[in-house]
Amino acid sequence: GQSLEQPSEVTAVEGAIVQINCTYQTSGFYGLSWYQQHDGGAPTFLSYNALDGLEETGRFSSFLSRSDSYGYLLLQELQMKDSASYFCAVNPARDDKIIFGKGTRLHILP
Amino acid sequence: DTGVSQDPRHKITKRGQNVTFRCDPISEHNRLYWYRQTLGQGPEFLTYFQNEAQLEKSRLLSDRFSAERPKGSFSTLEIQRTEQGDSAMYLCASSLATIYEQYFGPGTRLTVT
Repeated sequence: GQSLEQPSEVTAVEGAIVQINCTYQTSGFYGLSWYQQHDGGAPTFLSYNALDGLEETGRFSSFLSRSDSYGYLLLQELQMKDSASYFCAVNPARDDKIIFGKGTRLHILP
Repeated sequence: DTGVSQDPRHKITKRGQNVTFRCDPISEHNRLYWYRQTLGQGPEFLTYFQNEAQLEKSRLLSDRFSAERPKGSFSTLEIQRTEQGDSAMYLCASSLATIYEQYFGPGTRLTVT
């Protein structure tokens, strides 16, 4: 079977740093990606990790540990516009579909 | 590049009716995906195409659902004999070279009464 676990909600303060964790159990693993979705909007791609380590893209970074079946998304210098749902997604094989987690709703307090 | 478009944006139908949704991907993208999303959940994979070939269909998808992508361009998703449980947002996405970086359309919100 395939399962991805991430916290349902996280709250943080504007300007702070927040980490959203994702653990996965899938029949195969090729890579882990992250998507952002604002209320009423479409998911948008943020980052992708196929190898262990940290990938940095501006204020967002994503980490993967294949041996631990674990990854996280790190958001720095939080802004109110970062209030959204964040989904981790696994592609079990190179040319296969991706499977999304249930998402983490990020609330940002002023 | 005008992005992925979907039509209609909203559809209200009575139980038992058939509905069809259309997705126009980004023009050079050869891969096209359909997902279903309900409130508080992540996108749930339904099916995907590479060019005009339908490569996979979710086992969760009943025989009431069918999708086509003639000529490898736009795609349609048809739901026959709709049920209240079909009420959801139907999302389409496309990609070019990778599976993991997908571009989503705005979705079609289906309400079955």
